Amino acid sequence: QSVLTQTPSASGTPGQRVTISCSGTSLNIGSNTVNWYRHLPGAAPKLLFSGDDQRPSGVPDRFSASKSDTTASLAISGLQSEDEADYYCGTWDDSLNGYVFGSGTKVTVL
Amino acid sequence: QVQLVESGGGVVQPGRSLRLSCAASGLTLSYYSVHWVREAPGRGLEWVAVVSFDGRNKYYADSVRGRFTVSRDDSKNTVFLQMGSLRPEDSALYYCATVPIFAVTNLRSWVYGMGVWGQGTTVTVRS
Repeated sequence: QSVLTQTPSASGTPGQRVTISCSGTSLNIGSNTVNWYRHLPGAAPKLLFSGDDQRPSGVPDRFSASKSDTTASLAISGLQSEDEADYYCGTWDDSLNGYVFGSGTKVTVL
Repeated sequence: QVQLVESGGGVVQPGRSLRLSCAASGLTLSYYSVHWVREAPGRGLEWVAVVSFDGRNKYYADSVRGRFTVSRDDSKNTVFLQMGSLRPEDSALYYCATVPIFAVTNLRSWVYGMGVWGQGTTVTVRS
């Protein structure tokens, strides 16, 4: 069972907006920055956002991220078929003294 | 071109050991803290361990603490994961990843997660 809670799945039609949430506690999300990763099973995960909302170069601006208290969010606007993947949040947990991932959200483009 | 290449995976019997390597090219690994993350079928991403840029700080997931050891040889631009007392539940695709480049100057850079990832190496533990 993951320390960070994510909705297992999200879906939308092309062009729509989907939002993924990541819920934690004051000892992880509440006190450390959150990253978001895009992952296709068997392939290397890709960093989408670091430092809560910093988008690395090459990540389309259709993607946005935010954080409030102990909840982080990832939004995908103008959904495209290539956005189908698993999305994970991650952060450091001060009580576990380790990095924790969310349970992952599978995004499906209908 | 920045690249991380993992190697050392394979099929091993329960209770045996295996050493994974993570070799870097296109970057000086000694500046970076490096994480190990694994992906077991149907189980999502699981963080395994991290070694700080200077090797002084090492942290482990509860599931591997006492059995796995992370180390680094900066002369070879390589980080290692020594895995001992392997169990079937350790079977997974193992990735290494550096912290994001912006975190390099932070003394606790490891808390900033993963930036550049390798392609992974597969470990299978079975009788």
